[in-house]
Amino acid sequence: AQKITQTQPGMFVQEKEAVTLDCTYDTSDPSYGLFWYKQPSSGEMIFLIYQGSYDQQNATEGRYSLNFQKARKSANLVISASQLGDSAMYFCAMREGPISGAGSYQLTFGKGTKLSVIP
Amino acid sequence: ETGVTQTPRHLVMGMTNKKSLKCEQHLGHNAMYWYKQSAKKPLELMFVYNFKEQTENNSVPSRFSPECPNSSHLFLHLHTLQPEDSALYLCASSQDRATRSEGYTFGSGTRLTVV
Repeated sequence: AQKITQTQPGMFVQEKEAVTLDCTYDTSDPSYGLFWYKQPSSGEMIFLIYQGSYDQQNATEGRYSLNFQKARKSANLVISASQLGDSAMYFCAMREGPISGAGSYQLTFGKGTKLSVIP
Repeated sequence: ETGVTQTPRHLVMGMTNKKSLKCEQHLGHNAMYWYKQSAKKPLELMFVYNFKEQTENNSVPSRFSPECPNSSHLFLHLHTLQPEDSALYLCASSQDRATRSEGYTFGSGTRLTVV
């Protein structure tokens, strides 16, 4: 079973409108973290926002917010006031295990959603 | 400059060639990773290094050989590749002791084409 599911292969949004990108996850670990990354055509993965499993409030970073619904195991990314530069692939990822500690850790990624912003 | 630099950006190689991908980070991170990104597939973790020691080999074929001479540099040596190995190869690094809410820092990737 997939640990991260992004059901929208592609999305279109009008410039200046808001858009929601879906992400559901599957884990039995009570401690986990959820990430969203943006990948423009240049290839680099850019970190956008993080939500910890114990965080009481939804994360926000500028125009990005994360709609975290723990019981539904969903972590949707909301982009407000879309800009042309937001056109890119967006990936949801999960880290299973505690937030702090020594050593490396693995991120599991979804297949991504291609967002196209229309002028 | 992202902090994680990958070279070359593009590589075309024949199936009998030997080539190497290079990754360098100046962020003081101690963990480094190789991921493979193929079209329409999730990113696949290949190798993980922590303090220069390999801690994960995700059932990667032996035609891919990683090397981590120090915490700042990571290589992926390639030999006798197959056309299905064509993909974007992404290097990433992370802090090992800081809060893990920072995630990884990625490089821009090497676009590999095997002909």
